[in-house]
Parts: sequence; structure tokens; C-alpha cells
Amino acid sequence: DTGVSQNPRHKITKRGQNVTFRCDPISEHNRLYWYRQTLGQGPEFLTYFQNEAQLEKSRLLSDRFSAERPKGSFSTLEIQRTEQGDSAMYLCASSLSRLAGSPQYFGPGTRLTVL
Amino acid sequence: KQEVTQIPAALSVPEGENLVLNCSFTDSAIYNLQWFRQDPGKGLTSLLLIQSSQREQTSGRLNASLDKSSGRSTLYIAASQPGDSATYLCASDSGGSNYKLTFGKGTLLTVNP
Repeated sequence: DTGVSQNPRHKITKRGQNVTFRCDPISEHNRLYWYRQTLGQGPEFLTYFQNEAQLEKSRLLSDRFSAERPKGSFSTLEIQRTEQGDSAMYLCASSLSRLAGSPQYFGPGTRLTVL
Repeated sequence: KQEVTQIPAALSVPEGENLVLNCSFTDSAIYNLQWFRQDPGKGLTSLLLIQSSQREQTSGRLNASLDKSSGRSTLYIAASQPGDSATYLCASDSGGSNYKLTFGKGTLLTVNP
């Protein structure tokens, strides 16, 4: 069990550029989640996948954000036309899909800085 | 909409002390409540998960309790060590959905040698 991995760990970009982050979940986990965390706050839910299906998207996920999980394995989160307000830590998590008792395990996060 | 509150926001204790962190939530229709630890600039480490049918869970020096009817959970840390210094976050699902976690802002714990 290698845990949840995320790449890159840090990304600095200029306003208006597009960025893409990758998440590799724990191999047997069929659920995958994206959260966003800003300084001094707890993580906020963005979206989640069960296998390859994206089942819910938060209102926080504007049209500039898109997430995919092809073949139910790794996932990517793309932000188009980045804004300074997008600067945050983007966290990925995975879990099994049991009704109860299945913890979410988080990756190390990708810290995005938009200049 | 679930709201999660953690008290205190920060706590500083001498090494060896036992301590309690508090978490309250507004929607008691939960499946799970999960406690996490976060070190500065890092991701979250899962500490304990309590299912709604359970009253408490223990792992080593950590004990988490859940009172669903009153919307409260506590994390008890015994014999604190400087290595326990971190931010502790609690999170729960709500409204009959067992996937979307709502987090509190966390308690920043400092254990002084």
C-alpha cells in the first residue's frame, strides 16, 4: 500500500495560465475525492468520483475547473485561466465505497500559487 | 448544510499532559466522523474513524468519542509528546450522503518539552 500520491507537489503559475494536477489513489479504492484548503481553514469538498463516474460537484467548482478519472484509476484536476483566488492547497483523497466505516485517506496535496 | 466547529482554535500544553479536543456538528444524520492530523504544509493523516453506531474508537494514546444525539465528538490524547504538535481536524459526512466530508477549522496543538 503506497498511499495516495499527488503531482506536482508545488505549482507556481501566472494569472491566466492553465494548470493540471494529478492524483493516484490507493489501488483498490473505487472512490476518489478532491478538496481545496486555504490558509487557516479546513478542506472544502470540490468533487468526487465513484469509479470513472463524477457523481457530485460543489458550487465551488466553477466552469474553469474540470476533473476527470478515466478508467476509474488516476484522476486529473484542471484549472483554466487561473486567478489569484485559486491559490490554495488542492488535496486528493480515496476510499472504498462502503456505507460506513471506510476512512478517506489523503495525499500530500498540491500547493498552487497564482501570481 | 452541515457545519463543524472545533474548540479551542489553539492549545498549548506541557509535555506529559492529557488533553481533550472538542468537535461539534449541526446535522446528526451522519454515517461517519473522522479525526485527522495535519502537519504544516502537509496533507492529512487519518487518525480515527467512528461510525454513527459506535460510541468510541481507540488507537494507542488516542481515544475518540461520539455522541450523535448531541452533535459532539471529542479526541482525547493521553500523555502528550512534542511530536503530537500539529493541527487536528475533525470531519463528518451528513444528510444521508456518506462521501462528502465537512471539516472544522482545526485545533492547533503545541506540546512544549
